[in-house]
Amino acid sequence: AQSVTQLGSHVSVSEGALVLLRCNYSSSVPPYLFWYVQYPNQGLQLLLKYTTGATLVKGINGFEAEFKKSETSFHLTKPSAHMSDAAEYFCAVRLSGGSNYKLTFGKGTLLTVNP
Amino acid sequence: GAVVSQHPSRVICKSGTSVKIECRSLDFQATTMFWYRQFPKQSLMLMATSNEGSKATYEQGVEKDKFLINHASLTLSTLTVTSAHPEDSSFYICSASDSGRSGTGELFFGEGSRLTVL
Repeated sequence: AQSVTQLGSHVSVSEGALVLLRCNYSSSVPPYLFWYVQYPNQGLQLLLKYTTGATLVKGINGFEAEFKKSETSFHLTKPSAHMSDAAEYFCAVRLSGGSNYKLTFGKGTLLTVNP
Repeated sequence: GAVVSQHPSRVICKSGTSVKIECRSLDFQATTMFWYRQFPKQSLMLMATSNEGSKATYEQGVEKDKFLINHASLTLSTLTVTSAHPEDSSFYICSASDSGRSGTGELFFGEGSRLTVL
């Protein structure tokens, strides 16, 4: 079984400031980890994913995340926030291997960017 | 990336009627599709896993007679909300796995369908 905890349901930053969205997971086997972004009344768009290999993963729109096995974390960061980054962000986990593509999502973090 | 299209994006219906939502993979074949439900300001809740050519697998607590899922082809899955009631009002999102493109089974999401039952 797997689960995801996103710390902070709402994060507010100023434009140009560092963005840090926290995600911790639990998984019985090595996980695959994902970050998705959702804009109002839209579906989910993949920002980045970790499967194997390099633990620092770079995604779209300047976001990156680092898989830290010892901390069971996969925090999302961006050095400088832009107004267009305001959205809901979801961390998700699924079990590696096999053909089970079922994702378990965290509760989401709403990112607000202030001018 | 691969494209998944949902239709309709918005639907308003009267209580007691049935509503069908379509989910199509436009440029890949999807043997597996997933249906999620999202309440306002909440996360996505997996409702069921739709497998092409076989019965859907429903998550615990999801009424299979209420939410009918059909996956008749490798590019189309449908969700029918039968005898809809106001409490069925929600945002429904489908996703499809492009297992042929990537062994990691990345999921691609549709744009979502907002159902409002009056």
